[in-house]
Amino acid sequence: KQEVTQIPAALSVPEGENLVLNCSFTDSAIYNLQWFRQDPGKGLTSLLLIQSSQREQTSGRLNASLDKSSGRSTLYIAASQPGDSATYLCAGYSNSGYALNFGKGTSLLVTP
Amino acid sequence: EPEVTQTPSHQVTQMGQEVILRCVPISNHLYFYWYRQILGQKVEFLVSFYNNEISEKSEIFDDQFSVERPDGSNFTLKIRSTKLEDSAMYFCASGVDRVWYEQYFGPGTRLTVT
Repeated sequence: KQEVTQIPAALSVPEGENLVLNCSFTDSAIYNLQWFRQDPGKGLTSLLLIQSSQREQTSGRLNASLDKSSGRSTLYIAASQPGDSATYLCAGYSNSGYALNFGKGTSLLVTP
Repeated sequence: EPEVTQTPSHQVTQMGQEVILRCVPISNHLYFYWYRQILGQKVEFLVSFYNNEISEKSEIFDDQFSVERPDGSNFTLKIRSTKLEDSAMYFCASGVDRVWYEQYFGPGTRLTVT
């Protein structure tokens, strides 16, 4: 089973800082990896999907990378804003390709 | 922009009662999923559904759970006899295809079993 770990569990940064969230997974034969944002008590908003053949994906101030050989993905957030405060989850597909296996998330607080 | 919708947003039920959680996936999607998140824990996969049958299920998805796509638009999760430990946020998700495309999640149904 694909195990996903996220470090750090919580992060607080001042507005304007660039930051990196880390995600590691156990099975290097990962298909794809998806990053989500979750606001308190809310659903999951998909941010980026990195296919296994890709090394990175960008959307606005977000850049996600995938290194299958080391079992790691990172989410880079440029010029952070208070509105970025949320929990960020990464999830990798299981070997069957149906289930997404989630990490516990990184809780991000961006202070004005 | 199309989105996954779920009803109700919050359901309170007594232990032992049956509940049905409803989802309307995005209209051209073919793969449907249920996940749950117990408060303070990670999101856990329950079941995937494709071509009118279960394609994968987790060990959580025991005989108390069932899924159905009763018509062309709805996708339901039934819990036959709820337990206290079934209290969680239940998320429905859908996708165009598995693996190579994103899964889109609904806003969730918060189930409280008393």
